[in-house]
Amino acid sequence: AQKVTQAQTEISVVEKEDVTLDCVYETRDTTYYLFWYKQPPSGELVFLIRRNSFDEQNEISGRYSWNFQKSTSSFNFTITASQVVDSAVYFCALYPYSWGKFQFGAGTQVVVTP
Amino acid sequence: KAGVTQTPRYLIKTRGQQVTLSCSPISGHRSVSWYQQTPGQGLQFLFEYFSETQRNKGNFPGRFSGRQFSNSRSEMNVSTLELGDSALYLCASRSQGAALSSYEQYFGPGTRLTVT
Repeated sequence: AQKVTQAQTEISVVEKEDVTLDCVYETRDTTYYLFWYKQPPSGELVFLIRRNSFDEQNEISGRYSWNFQKSTSSFNFTITASQVVDSAVYFCALYPYSWGKFQFGAGTQVVVTP
Repeated sequence: KAGVTQTPRYLIKTRGQQVTLSCSPISGHRSVSWYQQTPGQGLQFLFEYFSETQRNKGNFPGRFSGRQFSNSRSEMNVSTLELGDSALYLCASRSQGAALSSYEQYFGPGTRLTVT
């Protein structure tokens, strides 16, 4: 079965705090792709990052960083020094190569207050 | 490059009617997928089209159908609308091919459908 679990429904932080979003996935495929998307109140999902199952290198992009650990089937996302503009719902997604479909997690609502 | 566009952005229909939603992918993208997003069920995959053929589908009743045209534009149709069909319908496109980036989906702004 293909499954993505985002256990945190909502996270509230004060501006400049760091926030980490958890994502745990399940798949039997050895080749798969992981993604993070941001959905601001406007509704459009914005692509943030793709990770391949054969590349566990962590990545940093500005205030965003991602930690991929195959041993724990996790692909966590950290926003450093959060800003009000980071307020959105964040989705983790999985694409197992042989399944050929994207499986999204339930999403985590991030609320950043000034 | 222009992003994914969806029309209309908002729609109000009555139960029992049918509706057609339209999606224009990013230029050069040949794969188009449709998703239904509701507060209770989250983001659910409806179907994916590639080169005018449905390549994959989710677990939705036959009232939900789609098609893709030769220019990669896609339409989604829902017949005999039910109250539970009220949702945000999102379209996503990707380039398809051997490159790893071809697995990256880019979403449109969505069509907010309200069934009364």
